[in-house]
Amino acid sequence: AAGVIQSPRHLIKEKRETATLKCYPIPRHDTVYWYQQGPGQDPQFLISFYEKMQSDKGSIPDRFSAQQFSDYHSELNMSSLELGDSALYFCASSFLGTSGRFPQYFGPGTRLTVL
Amino acid sequence: AQTVTQSQPEMSVQEAETVTLSCTYDTSENNYYLFWYKQPPSRQMILVIRQEAYKQQNATENRFSVNFQKAAKSFSLKISDSQLGDTAMYFCAFMKHLSLAGSGNTGKLIFGQGTTLQVKP
Repeated sequence: AAGVIQSPRHLIKEKRETATLKCYPIPRHDTVYWYQQGPGQDPQFLISFYEKMQSDKGSIPDRFSAQQFSDYHSELNMSSLELGDSALYFCASSFLGTSGRFPQYFGPGTRLTVL
Repeated sequence: AQTVTQSQPEMSVQEAETVTLSCTYDTSENNYYLFWYKQPPSRQMILVIRQEAYKQQNATENRFSVNFQKAAKSFSLKISDSQLGDTAMYFCAFMKHLSLAGSGNTGKLIFGQGTTLQVKP
């Protein structure tokens, strides 16, 4: 079965640089989520998109932005990177059925290291 | 606001034995989902099991089962016949249940702090 695809899997950036993370959800899933997981921490919700519109926003810094495109893939743009942005970034997708929202399935994550 | 608490940072179990991981949560919602996700050393987040709050029957998936106590807001995971491959971090997670599209049902997950499970040979 198709899974959530994230690219790149690893990314190394310098402070103050910009990074773009990409996510390709499971086909026919209508919602994409982004989470940030710091070392030894639980994943923290950043932002979500339902049918290409932003649907919810969590603890996402103003330096970060995201969007979902017409083909449902999503990109997380991170500018003015700081050392504290080093983390594992997950994308997850799900869909809203007639009986409710189905579980989220996670991609493998992008490991971002800021030097 | 919802919160999820896992009070056991680390646990260990002998191979083939049974272990129970605890999770409590706080919410004013009446309808919601609860999940257990597994994160092995590869860091992949894998869905283990889910429970709808309106269902009284506890969910079961092969060797994994839950004990859902709605009144006590408790949601524990039991792993039977533990295997070495069960070694991982386990996260309990909460999600609101709203069935109407466009009604604000974003489905974001709120995670507990995680429990590291070590299965010993």
